[in-house]
Amino acid sequence: EEQLVESGGGLVQPGGSLRLSCEASGFTFSGFWMHWVRQAPGMGLEWVSRINGDGTNTTYADSVKGRFTISRDNAKNTLYLHLNSLRVDDTAVYYCSRDRSTPLDIWGHGTTVTVTS
Amino acid sequence: DIVMTQSPATLSVSPGERATLSCRASQSVKYNLAWFQQKLGQAPRLLIYRTSTRAPGVPARFSGSGSGTEFTLTIDSLQSEDFAVYYCHQYNKWAPWTFGQGTKVDI
Repeated sequence: EEQLVESGGGLVQPGGSLRLSCEASGFTFSGFWMHWVRQAPGMGLEWVSRINGDGTNTTYADSVKGRFTISRDNAKNTLYLHLNSLRVDDTAVYYCSRDRSTPLDIWGHGTTVTVTS
Repeated sequence: DIVMTQSPATLSVSPGERATLSCRASQSVKYNLAWFQQKLGQAPRLLIYRTSTRAPGVPARFSGSGSGTEFTLTIDSLQSEDFAVYYCHQYNKWAPWTFGQGTKVDI
């Protein structure tokens, strides 16, 4: 079964850092672009970042550029999102998803990041 | 960035009726438009991609149309399990991806 499982969320103070992970199974991880999408409480979906199959090409939403870093370890079938300089408005459920010819066709269950003092 | 605007924000329909959801892009996204369904407490589910192609397992009552900047998701003969929030999404390859703000379909 093709699956994505996120982890690493938690409670953090403004200005703090966190690393999210997304472990993939059931498919050839290195063959897919991977994405992070977030959803603030009661709000809609916001695309955050993407990375290509070999990790050489990354793109970010303006809202996180310079603070978040996406990366991947294909040997471990794992996608990462490093969150730095966190703000209260980064509070959200963070989902990972994949893309090749079909965009965002499977999603993880999400991991919750709460930024509060 | 490309701004996606959905209408209406909320659509009230009865089971068995047809629902028509609209999505407008601030600039052409060609056919790179997808629709997602999200139920409370769940991850989004891909319904439609490339404007009109149903994802595997999606019932035929869901259909998509449009091109360029104007797109429509139609749900024929609404079932109880179709009451949810629907998001359109543009995925132009070399631009940041964006979602619409969502349309809630309820009774």
